[in-house]
Amino acid sequence: EDQVTQSPEALRLQEGESSSLNCSYTVSGLRGLFWYRQDPGKGPEFLFTLYSAGEEKEKERLKATLTKKESFLHITAPKPEDSATYLCAVQEKGYSTLTFGKGTMLLVSP
Amino acid sequence: DARVTQTPRHKVTEMGQEVTMRCQPILGHNTVFWYRQTMMQGLELLAYFRNRAPLDDSGMPKDRFSAEMPDATLATLKIQPSEPRDSAVYFCASGLVQIGEVGGELFFGEGSRLTVL
Repeated sequence: EDQVTQSPEALRLQEGESSSLNCSYTVSGLRGLFWYRQDPGKGPEFLFTLYSAGEEKEKERLKATLTKKESFLHITAPKPEDSATYLCAVQEKGYSTLTFGKGTMLLVSP
Repeated sequence: DARVTQTPRHKVTEMGQEVTMRCQPILGHNTVFWYRQTMMQGLELLAYFRNRAPLDDSGMPKDRFSAEMPDATLATLKIQPSEPRDSAVYFCASGLVQIGEVGGELFFGEGSRLTVL
């Protein structure tokens, strides 16, 4: 069973059409949950860290939230430049490494 | 502008050949990771080092993969012999991670795309 599951696998939005990406996790103890953005042909780029349920972080049109079982990345009024693959990763207590989900590929059309 | 540098960016080789990928982490970062990314599996951790010491390489096929960090400015990932199933994008990432702290802000290189024919 995957520890980190992201949905949907792909999402197509019109510019200005808000939506949310989901990341569900099954680790026994969460140390931190991380969101990354990956553009084609590039390495992932760090966006947010969330530590505990109820926490929220914002950056421009993106807002990440965390519950005890999942995290959401809300995209408000997206623009074409928000098109990318968004990766979620978790760090389990007692471990120093991250486990990544397979990502959601977002395409925003003008 | 500090960044992680990986070479080569692209490599096409034939089955059985040796492949070496190199990574220069960001100066001052104490932890270096090697990840492999494929469409099917996503990002998988292969190995990581803290202060140049290997801490975990359980994600690597031991018979053909090896990872080293000969000095603070260079990490290497070697595959010998290479096989078609090794075709993937290999990423190096570095970070400043202290023991006992959350360490998820990693800086990734642009990756080495490997194709084994």
